[in-house]
Amino acid sequence: NAGVTQTPKFQVLKTGQSMTLQCAQDMNHNSMYWYRQDPGMGLRLIYYSASEGTTDKGEVPNGYNVSRLNKREFSLRLESAAPSQTSVYFCASRHLLDGRAVSYEQYFGPGTRLTVT
Amino acid sequence: AQRVTQPEKLLSVFKGAPVELKCNYSYSGSPELFWYVQYSRQRLQLLLRHISRESIKGFTADLNKGETSFHLKKPFAQEEDSAMYYCALLGQGAQKLVFGQGTRLTINP
Repeated sequence: NAGVTQTPKFQVLKTGQSMTLQCAQDMNHNSMYWYRQDPGMGLRLIYYSASEGTTDKGEVPNGYNVSRLNKREFSLRLESAAPSQTSVYFCASRHLLDGRAVSYEQYFGPGTRLTVT
Repeated sequence: AQRVTQPEKLLSVFKGAPVELKCNYSYSGSPELFWYVQYSRQRLQLLLRHISRESIKGFTADLNKGETSFHLKKPFAQEEDSAMYYCALLGQGAQKLVFGQGTRLTINP
């Protein structure tokens, strides 16, 4: 049981390049999340997917797109990377019951450290 | 609006001293509150949640609805407690957690 996995672990991009961060979970959770972690800003939600086939914006969605490929996988795409997107990105998943979060633990991936020059 | 505030970005205490990491929240209903911890080079993990009323690794946190606080406490800090700590709130019927800005705790030998 690998939990939540993310690829790649590290990435360096030039301004304007594009890339996709991959996330997968094997816990049969129905909801998945993408966060960015910046010093002094804490964890900020970029996008989330409450269930397969749905996605919603979080706190800081500009410059990002997401795809909920299936129940297991939730990818984050940067179409034209900017230095302001230099950050550590975390994927997470949890189980929703009847569309509502219950007191189940939210599980996090190991993170992707992205640098945009 | 749901908001979580951790007023201290950095907190440094000596080993053996008591520790208190502050968390205040803003929410009109009855929230569920959590503390998550991130040790160096590890992923975030749940430390404790208020409904469990448990002590994990010597840490406890009590939900004070009057003061809208959920401070994390430990009577005697250990060096292995050095980590980043996040307070988080889950509103009634909500689908996502709201995190505070985090407090980096350093325990000095």
